[in-house]
Amino acid sequence: DQQVKQNSPSLSVQEGRISILNCDYTNSMFDYFLWYKKYPAEGPTFLISISSIKDKNEDGRFTVFLNKSAKHLSLHIVPSQPGDSAVYFCAASWGAQKLVFGQGTRLTINP
Amino acid sequence: GAVVSQHPSWVICKSGTSVKIECRSLDFQATTMFWYRQFPKQSLMLMATSNEGSKATYEQGVEKDKFLINHASLTLSTLTVTSAHPEDSSFYICSARDSVLSHNEQFFGPGTRLTVL
Repeated sequence: DQQVKQNSPSLSVQEGRISILNCDYTNSMFDYFLWYKKYPAEGPTFLISISSIKDKNEDGRFTVFLNKSAKHLSLHIVPSQPGDSAVYFCAASWGAQKLVFGQGTRLTINP
Repeated sequence: GAVVSQHPSWVICKSGTSVKIECRSLDFQATTMFWYRQFPKQSLMLMATSNEGSKATYEQGVEKDKFLINHASLTLSTLTVTSAHPEDSSFYICSARDSVLSHNEQFFGPGTRLTVL
């Protein structure tokens, strides 16, 4: 039972353009969502989060959008930079419990 | 802030031996730490939740006698893979939640690559 899904295993974007990574979830109890970035053979790095009481949170080049009715969230990176190339995981939790991760999307930024 | 370290970063061992992995929160106190494993090109799979001073809570399908977890202090949790076998070879990652600051952000260690021959 995959409660958090990232349906795109990979995404390729040109440098300077916007990268949009998507994530869907099934559990309506989730009340907190996070995005992590991961390089090979390293631990994930926290990027940005959003509470279910909000529909948008912005931090520099990163913006996360939450659509509760569609049970969908997305991460926008603009402008995309070569250093953004990594695997991005979305994660969800409820009541400060454990995180449930999606399968990850490999983002490649092309020069 | 919010730095989590793991030691060792990689280890190669013979089948049947035990391996201990340490996870430390360096600049914050973590009442809760988590242990994950990741197979190549797959997501992070939660193995267990470790609470300081109490027994760990294991996810379904994870053998608690195989993966011993100790969380003796607010800054240290250890995972011991007992009688390791080649199928235990994986990338093990710990995370810690700041008891005071975070809502639910988990800060991850750099991971430990275990190879069992």
